[in-house]
Amino acid sequence: AQSVTQLGSHVSVSEGALVLLRCNYSSSVPPYLFWYVQYPNQGLQLLLKYTTGATLVKGINGFEAEFKKSETSFHLTKPSAHMSDAAEYFCAVVPQGAQKLVFGQGTRLTINP
Amino acid sequence: KAGVTQTPRYLIKTRGQQVTLSCSPISGHRSVSWYQQTPGQGLQFLFEYFSETQRNKGNFPGRFSGRQFSNSRSEMNVSTLELGDSALYLCASSNGLRDYTDTQYFGPGTRLTVL
Repeated sequence: AQSVTQLGSHVSVSEGALVLLRCNYSSSVPPYLFWYVQYPNQGLQLLLKYTTGATLVKGINGFEAEFKKSETSFHLTKPSAHMSDAAEYFCAVVPQGAQKLVFGQGTRLTINP
Repeated sequence: KAGVTQTPRYLIKTRGQQVTLSCSPISGHRSVSWYQQTPGQGLQFLFEYFSETQRNKGNFPGRFSGRQFSNSRSEMNVSTLELGDSALYLCASSNGLRDYTDTQYFGPGTRLTVL
């Protein structure tokens, strides 16, 4: 079955530093890929998604992700972390032919002042 | 536009009881999906309703059921509650594209605690 692996359940960076959250998917056929963010006591908010076309996807709040088929990866980056980026981040896929979101286990991002 | 609303936000029940959770989607959205979020299992898909019909279903026992009304509002029911049903239940609405590539808008969730 199609799955998503997020490397690192907890990532900590300093304010102003690069944010890199890793996501790998398992599939021989590229799925549709998403990144969501969840702030405390809130639902999930879509940051960005890749379905077809350009492999570098820009999202909200300065985040972007690059789809790399050869590495089966869809890592999320932001050049300069802000305190307000502290949250939990989820990578998700819609496997080919399926009609549901399959989520990774999540990565909690902490920003140090 | 108003976002996705879920009621109640918090709920405490005891084992063996049943519970009904409600979700009002964004106006114009015809698809409502339900997810269970727990620390151990993460986010898991329960089911999706589109135009009052269950279109997709996850791997949950029959104790978990749902329905959708003509105004697209949806309810989820869990019967014979177990301790393991304690979770945050999230509802998401969308236009309902069949390939699931359209944006899912999530509500704040209902926190269910089973004692």
